[in-house]
Amino acid sequence: NAGVTQTPKFRVLKTGQSMTLLCAQDMNHEYMYWYRQDPGMGLRLIHYSVGEGTTAKGEVPDGYNVSRLKKQNFLLGLESAAPSQTSVYFCASRPSGATDTQYFGPGTRLTVL
Amino acid sequence: GIQVEQSPPDLILQEGANSTLRCNFSDSVNNLQWFHQNPWGQLINLFYIPSGTKQNGRLSATTVATERYSLLYISSSQTTDSGVYFCAVGDTGANSKLTFGKGITLSVRP
Repeated sequence: NAGVTQTPKFRVLKTGQSMTLLCAQDMNHEYMYWYRQDPGMGLRLIHYSVGEGTTAKGEVPDGYNVSRLKKQNFLLGLESAAPSQTSVYFCASRPSGATDTQYFGPGTRLTVL
Repeated sequence: GIQVEQSPPDLILQEGANSTLRCNFSDSVNNLQWFHQNPWGQLINLFYIPSGTKQNGRLSATTVATERYSLLYISSSQTTDSGVYFCAVGDTGANSKLTFGKGITLSVRP
């Protein structure tokens, strides 16, 4: 199993450009999450999904959209990137059972100039 | 939402020393995890421990849910233990979204 993978690993954008981050998991997990990590802030939840075709807002959703068309994939989109979205983005997934352990991908480092 | 406080914010140890990292949280939780973020940025699950005590090699963790805190113990520290340690808690709602603390930066000197 590859676990949770993220594409791309690094990206540099100019203000106003758009992009999509891809998260894929091969563990048949129901729940998937997108977080951002900023210096001194820990990780903050952007959006999450409790199953295929569902999405919900987290703590910091503004400026982002998500889609979960397939159970194994969770896409994070930036329609018009801003310098404030410079961050490291982590995807996570977990099964729907009682253990609730979240498994994290390796992260995507995004810089918006 | 739930507040998560970790202490101390920074810790410097000599190799071989022991340490205790603390996580306080403000409300009842059904999920508590400890993570280690290594210097390359990778997040590694250490423990899923909403209550009780667990041990894994030189690491152990204890959560006292009724008093709303968790402790991570590192014994005989090694330079590879360096990095940031995060505590994350999930509330009692069905979706169990995790709220992270700001982390504890540990530096182990040879």
